Amino acid sequence: RKEVEQDPGPFNVPEGATVAFNCTYSNSASQSFFWYRQDCRKEPKLLMSVYSSGNEDGRFTAQLNRASQYISLLIRDSKLSDSATYLCVVKDPSGSARQLTFGSGTQLTVLP
Amino acid sequence: ETGVTQSPTHLIKTRGQQVTLRCSSQSGHNTVSWYQQALGQGPQFIFQYYREEENGRGNFPPRFSGLQFPNYSSELNVNALELDDSALYLCASSLADNEQFFGPGTRLTVL
Repeated sequence: RKEVEQDPGPFNVPEGATVAFNCTYSNSASQSFFWYRQDCRKEPKLLMSVYSSGNEDGRFTAQLNRASQYISLLIRDSKLSDSATYLCVVKDPSGSARQLTFGSGTQLTVLP
Repeated sequence: ETGVTQSPTHLIKTRGQQVTLRCSSQSGHNTVSWYQQALGQGPQFIFQYYREEENGRGNFPPRFSGLQFPNYSSELNVNALELDDSALYLCASSLADNEQFFGPGTRLTVL
């Protein structure tokens, strides 16, 4: 089983649509969670951290369900500029490096 | 711009060769992490350097090695290149365990 699993996508949605991405993680001890955005052939960039109480940043809402080990990202009123790959990321709670563990990503294309 | 730079941007090598990739961390950062991203996959952690010492390693063979210099820049070395080593290699700098900022990556093709 992969440590971080995401919807494979791709998602093709019209402008203005609401789209949701899901992610599950295997390590119940994980404590830090993030969504990264990666544009084609570019580096990943932090979109938002995910907090236990859920958090919102403009059109983006992230939620965490620790009991189900499930993370979600909701994008409302999609824009063409939201087209990218969205990566679910968990920070390894153990070890000295505390490295980031990435899902395979979900590709989103917002259509005009 | 994150202030993290990597060189070269692209590289083509043949099987069995060796390669060195370079990363300059953001000013004030003392930690560099290296990741390998194969096509269609998320980045996979290779190793991390903190204050010039290896601080953790992912599931990569010993032919993947690295260094961190006193100015906190870093190198990734890969010996005996294999076709499967073709990927985007990303470095990320951070101040200790804080947010990691990624460089633009080096795209390595092994023929």
